[in-house]
Amino acid sequence: GAVVSQHPSWVICKSGTSVKIECRSLDFQATTMFWYRQFPKQSLMLMATSNEGSKATYEQGVEKDKFLINHASLTLSTLTVTSAHPEDSSFYICSARGLSGSSYEQYFGPGTRLTVT
Amino acid sequence: LAKTTQPISMDSYEGQEVNITCSHNNIATNDYITWYQQFPSQGPRFIIQGYKTKVTNEVASLFIPADRKSSTLSLPRVSLSDTAVYYCLVGDPPRGGSQGNLIFGKGTKLSVKP
Repeated sequence: GAVVSQHPSWVICKSGTSVKIECRSLDFQATTMFWYRQFPKQSLMLMATSNEGSKATYEQGVEKDKFLINHASLTLSTLTVTSAHPEDSSFYICSARGLSGSSYEQYFGPGTRLTVT
Repeated sequence: LAKTTQPISMDSYEGQEVNITCSHNNIATNDYITWYQQFPSQGPRFIIQGYKTKVTNEVASLFIPADRKSSTLSLPRVSLSDTAVYYCLVGDPPRGGSQGNLIFGKGTKLSVKP
């Protein structure tokens, strides 16, 4: 299957700083990317959907000014956690979706572990 | 989106067949059923998707009765490496669908013992 990468795989930052997480589709063009958050022992929660070249659509309860999403190209989306606080510590996972032949396929990245101290 | 209900956890032994059932009483006509596997600190991995009857691939089988209100993921001869959380999703399929916003339920934690 297609490969989706995330960088970094883990990051530790101090409270109040901002952290950027990258999600790349390595061998296909992702017209849509999704960002999820997963707290320990919980399921994945969809945060936002981004289409290449347009503003992201955020799920209810997700602060768009805190979680900045940019999808400037068909292979890259970034999630920036601004003014991070310890409660933002979580596992962030992206999913990329694009055409494979005549139908859409979707793949998840390996995730990024964020720890805010 | 149809709500799904799965057992929170299941235990099995190596070499056994494991069947995980998911209930989705409110499944819509256009909804597909998809199963994902997730290991700790990794992204989910697609296992199988189906609409009705039976689907089989190299990893698992998916059984869907005629009323589609439930589905069963069957893992043949599990090994220790199959220990993971398994999620049942109902809605637009990741393969061939038109939307892609996959909504995850609580999942089933499968523990395979030697």
